[in-house]
Order: sequence, then C-alpha cells, then structure tokens
Amino acid sequence: QMQVVQSGPEVKKPGTSVKVSCKASGFTFVTSAVQWVRQARGQRLEWIGWIVVGSGKTNYAQKFQERVSITRDTSTSTAYMEVNSLGSGDTALYYCATDDMTTLSWGQGTLVTVSS
Amino acid sequence: QLVLTQSPSASASLGASVRLTCTLSSGHRNYAIAWHQVQPERGPRYLMKVNSDGSHTNGDGIPARFSGSSSGAARYLAISSLQSEDEADYYCQTWGTGPREFGGGTKLTVL
Repeated sequence: QMQVVQSGPEVKKPGTSVKVSCKASGFTFVTSAVQWVRQARGQRLEWIGWIVVGSGKTNYAQKFQERVSITRDTSTSTAYMEVNSLGSGDTALYYCATDDMTTLSWGQGTLVTVSS
Repeated sequence: QLVLTQSPSASASLGASVRLTCTLSSGHRNYAIAWHQVQPERGPRYLMKVNSDGSHTNGDGIPARFSGSSSGAARYLAISSLQSEDEADYYCQTWGTGPREFGGGTKLTVL
C-alpha cells in the first residue's frame, strides 16, 4: 500500500529557502509521479508542481516556476521540494502526494512558517 | 486555459444523498479527474479517480457510498447515506501528464 512520510515543520525567515522531503514506501517509486500542493489557513488547495520519478521530468504551476524546484532520489525513494525567496505569503501546510496513474496517496503535511 | 469550476457550497440532510459537480473548461472535457476530501483540521484524503467515460476507481478504504460519474465536461461525486463526518471540503483535480489544477472546492454541510 502506498505510503508517504514528509519531513517535519520548518520556521524560516523571509528571503531564505526551505527544502521539504517526501519519503515513499509500499510501491514501486520509479514508476510513480510525485506532486506538491499547499494550503494556507482558510484557503483552497493550490497545486505547485510535480515530477515523473522515472524520467525526472517536472511540470510547475506558472506562479511557482521561478522559485520552486522539485527533485527526487530514486536510491532512497524520496522526493524533494525547495522553495526560494520565501515571503509571508508562503506560510502554509505543504503536502506531497504520490500516484501511479491508478491510485494516489497523500503525505501528512509539513507546516512551513515564514516569519521575521 | 485549464479551469475546473465547482459550486462553493452544498448541503444535504443526514442520511440523504448529494451530488457534487466539477466542470472542466472548454477543450479539456476528455480529462480524467480525482476527487479529494479535506475535513476540518485534517489533511487531504484521496477519494477516487473519475474518467471521461464515467468509470471510476475508489481509493483504498473509500466506502462504496462514494461514487463518481461523468457527462460531457462534468465530473460528479455522489455521496449516499450522508454521515456527519462527510461534512468537509471537496476538491476536484485534473489527473494527467500536464498541469494538475484544482477546482475551487465545494464546502459540504450535513444538516
């Protein structure tokens, strides 16, 4: 059964970067895709981007194209999302989700707080 | 431009049924979508994938009272025998090899 576990909460200062990890188990990681989504308090789910694990091909929402990088390490079945130039508007819960085009599994979420 | 449109709110009585709608923008009516549930103070939960032909596949552990269907550009999520814990936000999301946009979400109230 697909399972994903994310890294712990982060507190960052404006202008810095954060890197969140997403470790997968219970399925063949290299034949899956990993997407990243965020939700600020009281707001809707917002898609950030995704990576096709086997090829490493990425696709980002236009809003995040310049500031976000999604990567993966197939040797540890882990995906990463790095967000640069953090601002207060980036304070949110960040979720990863993996899918193999037939089913999908969400991580537990990582709270990123941006505060001076 | 890929846009998914959902009504902001819906309501139905305990034990009744409800159908939520997600409408794909012009030129994208063949897209499959996923439905996700977000309960208060909890993370998203994957419910199912709905294909353009109306077939659907529930996620692990999702009861059969949750079902999906399609008609043209519309994708539906039907919930029968409503329970109090079904009160949540429901989001549709495209499922494919391009951008995976979300709809705005529907807040379901169980009366």
